[in-house]
Amino acid sequence: GAVVSQHPSRVICKSGTSVKIECRSLDFQATTMFWYRQFPKKSLMLMATSNEGSKATYEQGVEKDKFLINHASLTLSTLTVTSAHPEDSSFYICSAKGTGASTNEKLFFGSGTQLSVL
Amino acid sequence: GENVEQHPSTLSVQEGDSAVIKCTYSDSASNYFPWYKQELGKGPQLIIDIRSNVGEKKDQRIAVTLNKTAKHFSLHITETQPEDSAVYFCAASPPYNQGGKLIFGQGTELSVKP
Repeated sequence: GAVVSQHPSRVICKSGTSVKIECRSLDFQATTMFWYRQFPKKSLMLMATSNEGSKATYEQGVEKDKFLINHASLTLSTLTVTSAHPEDSSFYICSAKGTGASTNEKLFFGSGTQLSVL
Repeated sequence: GENVEQHPSTLSVQEGDSAVIKCTYSDSASNYFPWYKQELGKGPQLIIDIRSNVGEKKDQRIAVTLNKTAKHFSLHITETQPEDSAVYFCAASPPYNQGGKLIFGQGTELSVKP
């Protein structure tokens, strides 16, 4: 299957600072990537859809000015949590849609980033 | 829009037994149904998927069945092993969703006891 790399795996930051999370498709090009948020023992909540070269589409209730998404290339999307606060602490996961004969239309997930805001 | 319900929320089985997790979906237009396994602190891993033109798919100890009429699909794990312990998510993807956006079920925490 396709490989999606996500970094960092864990980050601790002070309240008010910004944190950037990177998501890379290592062996395929991803025109579409998705960013999810997950609370303990809960399902994945879609935050936004990231399309290469265009603005991200945010789900209802997700603040686009707080969660900045950039998808500048076919292999990289970034999520920046701006002015982080303790309530932003969560597990953030990216996914990328596969392209290719065996992975077409399948979604592959990164390993996630545990964000803790003090 | 699409809604996916998953049951049970927790499932405990003895090693070697079978485990079955069931999901129902609401949008008859959905045509792609993947299953993911998530271990603690990690991202979900695609373990098997099925498309609406197929009724059953099997990969070693894992199988998925789809009943389009009833709008439900199930994950079957045979000869369970302790390493199968994880949270499993089903998902559905309506064709009109942007770029293949998935709608997830609530998850099932599977525990396989040695």
